[in-house]
Amino acid sequence: KAGVTQTPRYLIKTRGQQVTLSCSPISGHRSVSWYQQTPGQGLQFLFEYFSETQRNKGNFPGRFSGRQFSNSRSEMNVSTLELGDSALYLCASSTGRGNEQFFGPGTRLTVL
Amino acid sequence: GQNIDQPTEMTATEGAIVQINCTYQTSGFNGLFWYQQHAGEAPTFLSYNVLDGLEEKGRFSSFLSRSKGYSYLLLKELQMKDSASYLCAVYTNAGKSTFGDGTTLTVKP
Repeated sequence: KAGVTQTPRYLIKTRGQQVTLSCSPISGHRSVSWYQQTPGQGLQFLFEYFSETQRNKGNFPGRFSGRQFSNSRSEMNVSTLELGDSALYLCASSTGRGNEQFFGPGTRLTVL
Repeated sequence: GQNIDQPTEMTATEGAIVQINCTYQTSGFNGLFWYQQHAGEAPTFLSYNVLDGLEEKGRFSSFLSRSKGYSYLLLKELQMKDSASYLCAVYTNAGKSTFGDGTTLTVKP
């Protein structure tokens, strides 16, 4: 079974730009969660999607948004990038609530 | 809100036993996850405790006390490859996972 895949793996953007990250979950997994990981803040929950609906949301500004498609693939968008958005963005898939999450390799975003 | 505390760093010797503690304060607690994360890699699942008590999986064991808001991860027969960051994460009834900042474990020969 293929694992969680994320594209792109690395990304460099400048302040004010917008970016879209993609996550393909493990086949059969309908829940996809997104996290931001930085050295100072650790792993911070962004949002979770299940069957194309946002089920939970963390404490991030509205510049951070996401969506999930009918095939469970998910995208995350960040608009008007700020220097502080530089981080590793991880997505994780699972079969449902309370179940083991499988993480993708992450997308390393650098904002200059 | 939720508050999760775990030590920042720990050092242990190859072949020894180490216990990594995690304390939490949260509402709507459902369970507690432990993940291992090697430098530059994604976290990988180790355990999920919902009920009080100890769960053992090979060299790794995880303990939970819901009344005390306390969990620990016990690693036995330490190997060099166990050097990594260990993350505890509280999972709530609302379906949210909140992670601690992680404990960086260094195993020395």
